[in-house]
Amino acid sequence: QQPVQSPQAVILREGEDAVINCSSSKALYSVHWYRQKHGEAPVFLMILLKGGEQKGHEKISASFNEKKQQSSLYLTASQLSYSGTYFCGTEISGGATNKLIFGTGTLLAVQP
Amino acid sequence: DTEVTQTPKHLVMGMTNKKSLKCEQHMGHRAMYWYKQKAKKPPELMFVYSYEKLSINESVPSRFSPECPNSSLLNLHLHALQPEDSALYLCASSQDPAGTRWPEAFFGQGTRLTVV
Repeated sequence: QQPVQSPQAVILREGEDAVINCSSSKALYSVHWYRQKHGEAPVFLMILLKGGEQKGHEKISASFNEKKQQSSLYLTASQLSYSGTYFCGTEISGGATNKLIFGTGTLLAVQP
Repeated sequence: DTEVTQTPKHLVMGMTNKKSLKCEQHMGHRAMYWYKQKAKKPPELMFVYSYEKLSINESVPSRFSPECPNSSLLNLHLHALQPEDSALYLCASSQDPAGTRWPEAFFGQGTRLTVV
């Protein structure tokens, strides 16, 4: 049930771009993206609700292909503050309410 | 105020102890959650409360007992835990995930629990 993310880890220099992929074996209602810095709480980045939808948040954007059950997070011109672990989250049916299941995570390290 | 406050930040307890974790939010959210997170792993959902009622229990052992006294507070009572229960326990809240939508969740900083 848990979405699989790739790559597991990536190291960038400031200003470089990165793509993080999230793939699910289950049909997706939506995809959420969170970032968690070391020792801190996960922070919501964005949610994508429709197949083929794209969203942007500063220099971070994402796409969601409902048919392929995949989402990708694009980080452009990375900054030191982008470092952290990125999790996608997918909604699956939990009976009376859906539940959010986090993906395996991608550790991103941005170096000067 | 977009904060979820968890206390304590750190907790060390023996296997025979009884302790409680507390979580508080004042955003008017009617859904609250407990997640467990092991090192270098994603958060794992434990419980979901919707309008103060338990709506999801992810087959969590009975040594973990959640409680939602009111719409702002969420507790997790711990009893007879095992060393493998040591983890970061995260509380989160959101607007009620009615229907097929799971709204943005706000997370607390977590309680780092060590069972000895």
